[in-house]
Amino acid sequence: DTEVTQTPKHLVMGMTNKKSLKCEQHMGHRAMYWYKQKAKKPPELMFVYSYEKLSINESVPSRFSPECPNSSLLNLHLHALQPEDSALYLCASSQPGSNQPQHFGDGTRLSIL
Amino acid sequence: DQQVKQNSPSLSVQEGRISILNCDYTNSMFDYFLWYKKYPAEGPTFLISISSIKDKNEDGRFTVFLNKSAKHLSLHIVPSQPGDSAVYFCAASPDRGSTLGRLYFGRGTQLTVWP
Repeated sequence: DTEVTQTPKHLVMGMTNKKSLKCEQHMGHRAMYWYKQKAKKPPELMFVYSYEKLSINESVPSRFSPECPNSSLLNLHLHALQPEDSALYLCASSQPGSNQPQHFGDGTRLSIL
Repeated sequence: DQQVKQNSPSLSVQEGRISILNCDYTNSMFDYFLWYKKYPAEGPTFLISISSIKDKNEDGRFTVFLNKSAKHLSLHIVPSQPGDSAVYFCAASPDRGSTLGRLYFGRGTQLTVWP
């Protein structure tokens, strides 16, 4: 069982919809991450939160809006997405700093119609 | 620019034999290296890591070797089991700077272990 829980597992939405992806961890980690993964490619980093503050934004389009309400929760708000945004969205958590493994959830499979 | 490279997209090994997965990196600021295993429809699962102050780390059937001068690491699985069949990602992390904590992934190697 993964210790990082992501909901929903699957999401189909139209280009005009607004939806949110949720991630929760109870390992006491203070760094949380959003990744995007396309088929047969490695995960691509989108955002990093450290101590609930956004520390890295990898030039992600504004139609993706992250939020970290507390140390256990991470959301990704979606609005006006494009078909090319269809992918597996992975959440991960770790202790902040160097030499800390990141632990991943099982992801949300997102399809944009 | 791929800073972590896994040049073998696939590897096929018989059950009970050794599997050796290889990874090369280019950034000398990387000092922490990890291996993840990924099954279809699941997220990557952390397997094993190694810090640059070591050249070997072992955990059960899994051993990671690091050769800093060659900027090369490898994952050995002995003995290989059919349940090990998955995509294996190598990842690296720098020890300082604005990218602290960021993981750089290779493209993955599909390991198939056949009976």
